[in-house]
Amino acid sequence: RKEVEQDPGPFNVPEGATVAFNCTYSNSASQSFFWYRQDCRKEPKLLMSVYSSGNEDGRFTAQLNRASQYISLLIRDSKLSDSATYLCVVTNYGQNFVFGPGTRLSVLP
Amino acid sequence: NAGVMQNPRHLVRRRGQEARLRCSPMKGHSHVYWYRQLPEEGLKFMVYLQKENIIDESGMPKERFSAEFPKEGPSILRIQQVVRGDSAAYFCASSRTTGVRDTQYFGPGTRLTVL
Repeated sequence: RKEVEQDPGPFNVPEGATVAFNCTYSNSASQSFFWYRQDCRKEPKLLMSVYSSGNEDGRFTAQLNRASQYISLLIRDSKLSDSATYLCVVTNYGQNFVFGPGTRLSVLP
Repeated sequence: NAGVMQNPRHLVRRRGQEARLRCSPMKGHSHVYWYRQLPEEGLKFMVYLQKENIIDESGMPKERFSAEFPKEGPSILRIQQVVRGDSAAYFCASSRTTGVRDTQYFGPGTRLTVL
């Protein structure tokens, strides 16, 4: 089993849609969780950290379920500019990041 | 405040040559990480360094690859005797500490093409 797994995608959604991405991790000792986005041929950029209590940043909501070792990202009111690959990242005590394979999102006009 | 800088942005080498990739972390960051991304694949951790020390090199291939982060100057990822399979994007990231919530910031990457 891979250490971090994500929805295989791609997701093709119309503008304005709500889309949810799922991520599971295998290491129960994992401490920190992030969502990054990566545009085609660009570097990954931090989208948001994921906290146990869940957190929201504008149209983006992240949830963490430690018992199920599951992380989610919800995007509301999708924009064309949201088209990218979304990377789930897990780390333990700030050591090396483990990236999921990513889920590609295409928001269509 | 300049971000993570990498150079060159594009590097072309013939099989058997050496490739040197440079990374300057963000100001105030002393932790550097190198990742490799093969075409249409996810990022894979290679090595984690602090100044003058390799902390974790569990993702580095056993041969031909080496990394350093000297007291002065950028971090260097060195690939000797490159082969076509080394063609990939190599990203460097830096963080200020290794605290539980400290995030990594990525450079623009170096795209290596081996002919």
